[in-house]
Amino acid sequence: DGGITQSPKYLFRKEGQNVTLSCEQNLNHDAMYWYRQDPGQGLRLIYYSQIVNDFQKGDIAEGYSVSREKKESFPLTVTSAQKNPTAFYLCASSITPLATGELFFGEGSRLTVL
Amino acid sequence: KQEVTQIPAALSVPEGENLVLNCSFTDSAIYNLQWFRQDPGKGLTSLLLIQSSQREQTSGRLNASLDKSSGRSTLYIAASQPGDSATYLCAVQTSGTYKYIFGTGTRLKVLA
Repeated sequence: DGGITQSPKYLFRKEGQNVTLSCEQNLNHDAMYWYRQDPGQGLRLIYYSQIVNDFQKGDIAEGYSVSREKKESFPLTVTSAQKNPTAFYLCASSITPLATGELFFGEGSRLTVL
Repeated sequence: KQEVTQIPAALSVPEGENLVLNCSFTDSAIYNLQWFRQDPGKGLTSLLLIQSSQREQTSGRLNASLDKSSGRSTLYIAASQPGDSATYLCAVQTSGTYKYIFGTGTRLKVLA
């Protein structure tokens, strides 16, 4: 079955550590996105990528980094510079960034800073 | 700047009731509007996608409408069931951007 796989589902981090969240899709989609979800707030865009080897900052990119070396993969690194990293992180993809296509999501990764 | 609002934030209804969830947006120049369902601790599941040229979409007991001129969309759920209990979010993709802007959702509880 085609879909988006995020791992790990739960992650605990000590302050000062960098952690990387994995996102893999087998939908052959060009565009991929990372969102952050906090209680009582809408999803906020961290980074997005329209095509391999290209990505742009979203609304809350500070303290995060990404790479897009393969079409299928869009990992997100939460660095120690991110001041409040505890949140639910969601990866999404769409067939192309400006097409009128559906946005599909993975199951999410919950990061907790100890 | 596009803003998306969903009212009410929470809703409880008895099983079997028909209900309407609302989504409003400030910029009518959109590519599409999408409705999602989110269960606690889970990702978002796409329910319906309405292109900017369309007025409505239907899937089973769900019907979504779009009125771009007034900046509104509604999600109609017929004959609600306890399994419909979840948070429902809408998102719009504004024309000329790659971004999808989300509302904060309506948390629905259907009582058996």
